[in-house]
Amino acid sequence: LAKTTQPISMDSYEGQEVNITCSHNNIATNDYITWYQQFPSQGPRFIIQGYKTKVTNEVASLFIPADRKSSTLSLPRVSLSDTAVYYCLVGENYGGATNKLIFGTGTLLAVQP
Amino acid sequence: EPEVTQTPSHQVTQMGQEVILRCVPISNHLYFYWYRQILGQKVEFLVSFYNNEISEKSEIFDDQFSVERPDGSNFTLKIRSTKLEDSAMYFCASSEGQGLEAFFGQGTRLTVV
Repeated sequence: LAKTTQPISMDSYEGQEVNITCSHNNIATNDYITWYQQFPSQGPRFIIQGYKTKVTNEVASLFIPADRKSSTLSLPRVSLSDTAVYYCLVGENYGGATNKLIFGTGTLLAVQP
Repeated sequence: EPEVTQTPSHQVTQMGQEVILRCVPISNHLYFYWYRQILGQKVEFLVSFYNNEISEKSEIFDDQFSVERPDGSNFTLKIRSTKLEDSAMYFCASSEGQGLEAFFGQGTRLTVV
């Protein structure tokens, strides 16, 4: 499974757009990029998943450049309730050899008023 | 919205005792997982379960651990003889298919004293 690197922490203010970048230089052809969010004392929650270019849902956007060696999670207009740890995961999906999630240390996003 | 439910939310047990953590996955899901998170550390994969058997397990999941789906709705994690280092938050998760979005429960905080 490809190793991921992301900042340990980020600070932001309410109403700002937040971009969290994840590096995954050894991503394989069959790998997808998935982001999870975790609030204190809760289980991780799926945010978004993509393979290439751009994916958008009601919560976030995911930007993946052509070489797929990095990805950026974009959270528009964050609020205090977006304070959480954000994890970038890379691995095979949709019939891949493994169905386990490998979490790194994630990025602790602190949103201030 | 369907959710994964876990009981109890908090369990305190004496070292050497057996504990059973219970989970009710989302009803139409086929893949079930247990993860754990020691306080302040990463979320770690323990085991995945499909078609009434373990499909993958980590090095953490040694002979002290077992999983079972005793009926059509419950999924349990048993720790035979708990150790102090088993103290952690244990998360159950389920997914519709292999590699698809995993839904996590709220967790059971296990404290071994």
